[in-house]
Amino acid sequence: GAVVSQHPSWVICKSGTSVKIECRSLDFQATTMFWYRQFPKQSLMLMATSNEGSKATYEQGVEKDKFLINHASLTLSTLTVTSAHPEDSSFYICSADVITRTGFSTEAFFGQGTRLTVV
Amino acid sequence: EDQVTQSPEALRLQEGESSSLNCSYTVSGLRGLFWYRQDPGKGPEFLFTLYSAGEEKEKERLKATLTKKESFLHITAPKPEDSATYLCAVTPFSGGYNKLIFGAGTRLAVHP
Repeated sequence: GAVVSQHPSWVICKSGTSVKIECRSLDFQATTMFWYRQFPKQSLMLMATSNEGSKATYEQGVEKDKFLINHASLTLSTLTVTSAHPEDSSFYICSADVITRTGFSTEAFFGQGTRLTVV
Repeated sequence: EDQVTQSPEALRLQEGESSSLNCSYTVSGLRGLFWYRQDPGKGPEFLFTLYSAGEEKEKERLKATLTKKESFLHITAPKPEDSATYLCAVTPFSGGYNKLIFGAGTRLAVHP
């Protein structure tokens, strides 16, 4: 299957600093990527949809100024957590869709996730 | 509101003891239902996509089925390496993107 690479796999940062997480589709072009957040023993919650060459679409309740998303190319999307605080500590996961000719995604491929700890 | 509910929350099985995981969904038009496996500290790994009621798919010891209200993931003669969290997700027709709505998952532990 298609490969999505996410980097870093874990990061520890000080409160008030910013952290950038990269998501790359290695062997296919992804016009749309998704960013999720997962708390321990909870499900994945969609944060935003990242579109190549245009602004991201954020889910209700997600602060767009805090979670900056850039999708500069067909193989790279980045999520920057700005002015991070301890409550931002979580597991962040990206995914990219393989879109069929009919425009429907048959499956989403996920990165390995990034464990962010803000101290 | 589109919603996915998985049960049980956790399941402990002996090796070889078959069982089923449930995924109930409420969605304004189902475009597709997905099953994923997630190991601790990793991203979800794709297992199956089901599109219409009555559809079934199999992969090794796993079999997924779909009705109009729910999906089941049957695990036949599980092994310890099947231990993981199994996630169910749906893509509704509503909205302009192929976004996934996940259930909370079932944590499966298979003991020798």
